[in-house]
Amino acid sequence: AQSVTQLGSHVSVSEGALVLLRCNYSSSVPPYLFWYVQYPNQGLQLLLKYTTGATLVKGINGFEAEFKKSETSFHLTKPSAHMSDAAEYFCAVSDGWGSQGNLIFGKGTKLSVKP
Amino acid sequence: DADVTQTPRNRITKTGKRIMLECSQTKGHDRMYWYRQDPGLGLRLIYYSFDVKDINKGEISDGYSVSRQAQAKFSLSLESAIPNQTALYFCATSDRQGLEQYFGPGTRLTVT
Repeated sequence: AQSVTQLGSHVSVSEGALVLLRCNYSSSVPPYLFWYVQYPNQGLQLLLKYTTGATLVKGINGFEAEFKKSETSFHLTKPSAHMSDAAEYFCAVSDGWGSQGNLIFGKGTKLSVKP
Repeated sequence: DADVTQTPRNRITKTGKRIMLECSQTKGHDRMYWYRQDPGLGLRLIYYSFDVKDINKGEISDGYSVSRQAQAKFSLSLESAIPNQTALYFCATSDRQGLEQYFGPGTRLTVT
C-alpha cells in the first residue's frame, strides 16, 4: 500500500535561508507525487507535482522538488525563504495507477520563517 | 467567486445531532471528495465520488454519509454527531485525470 512520511512536523528557518522539507514515500506502482501548501485559515493549494519525465519539478512561489527513485524521496526546497512562505506543507502520493488513484497525504510540516 | 465553496464555514453542534455540510463547485469537475483534517494527522479521505452515480467510501467513512445531488454538489452528513468528529472538513474536486485537486476553504466543526 502507498504511504507518505514527512520528516519533521515543524521546521523553522530564518528569512533568506534555504528551505528543505523532507518527504519519503512508499508505492507499489510508479508514483505520482504532489506537494500542497495550506496557508492559515485556507484550504490546500497545489505547489507542484511529479507524474513522469523530468525528475526536477518546479512549482509556484519559487519552490521545487526532486523525485529520487533510489531514495524513494520527493523533498521540497526553496533557495531563499520569505516571510510569506510560513504555512503548512503536505506531501501526497497517488494510491493507484496514475489518475486512477486517490491521494494519500502525509501528516504535514509546519514551516515558520523568522525575520 | 471561489471555485469550490463550503457551507457553513463554522458550526458548533451538540452530541447526537444530525448535521449536513455542503459543497458546491463551479469548475465543471466530475470528481469530488470529502476529507477531514486533524492536527498532526494530515488529511484523511472520508468519501469520494467520480460522478453522480459513483460514490465510494474512503479511509474513515464510519459515522458519515454523503449525497451527490448534482455534478456540482456533494454533501456530507453526520447522522449522530459525536465529540471525536470535531475537526476541520474539506471538500475538493478534480477533473477525470485526477492529477490536481482543488480545495474549498473548509468547515470547522465542533461537537460538544
